[in-house]
Amino acid sequence: AQSVTQLDSQVPVFEEAPVELRCNYSSSVSVYLFWYVQYPNQGLQLLLKYLSGSTLVKSINGFEAEFNKSQTSFHLRKPSVHISDTAEYFCALLYSGSARQLTFGSGTQLTVLP
Amino acid sequence: NAGVTQTPKFRILKIGQSMTLQCTQDMNHNYMYWYRQDPGMGLKLIYYSVGAGITDKGEVPNGYNVSRSTTEDFPLRLELAAPSQTSVYFCASTGTGEETQYFGPGTRLLVL
Repeated sequence: AQSVTQLDSQVPVFEEAPVELRCNYSSSVSVYLFWYVQYPNQGLQLLLKYLSGSTLVKSINGFEAEFNKSQTSFHLRKPSVHISDTAEYFCALLYSGSARQLTFGSGTQLTVLP
Repeated sequence: NAGVTQTPKFRILKIGQSMTLQCTQDMNHNYMYWYRQDPGMGLKLIYYSVGAGITDKGEVPNGYNVSRSTTEDFPLRLELAAPSQTSVYFCASTGTGEETQYFGPGTRLLVL
């Protein structure tokens, strides 16, 4: 069975500080990995994804994540956060033969403080 | 292109009442999904569909039913509402050959 673990349920950080949101997964087959972001009272939006190729993937707003197969991790990082980055972040995986079903982690609430 | 739309945005039900949550997508996607989101639990898959006329259970299907008579619509039915069904419900879709799911804005349901 596949699973996703987000160890940190809440991460407070000051504006312009760096942040890392941790994601570990478990799967016996190859997976695709995703980070989705949910702003207050909205649906989820794709932030970035790893499908294949370069293990470092980046979003348009400065986030990046690195796929590490040996450590089964896909941590999300940003070198300098803004107030507008305050949101809940979900790590998710998709595996072959799953009818494109996503398995989600429990989410990490990132709160950027002034 | 409206993407994925959901109605209503918010609803209060009494125990034992029934309702249908509507979901429509205009991207001609074959795959559609219903999730529920509870605090600290992430999103759990309720039902999904791989095309018109084809539906299957997800992780938490009890108390819900779905139908998929057209490519565009994927309604979720609650027959006998229970307090445990208080949640935020999200509909999502994706196309054949795609990996990204596109989410609707959600329906907040409170069962009292």
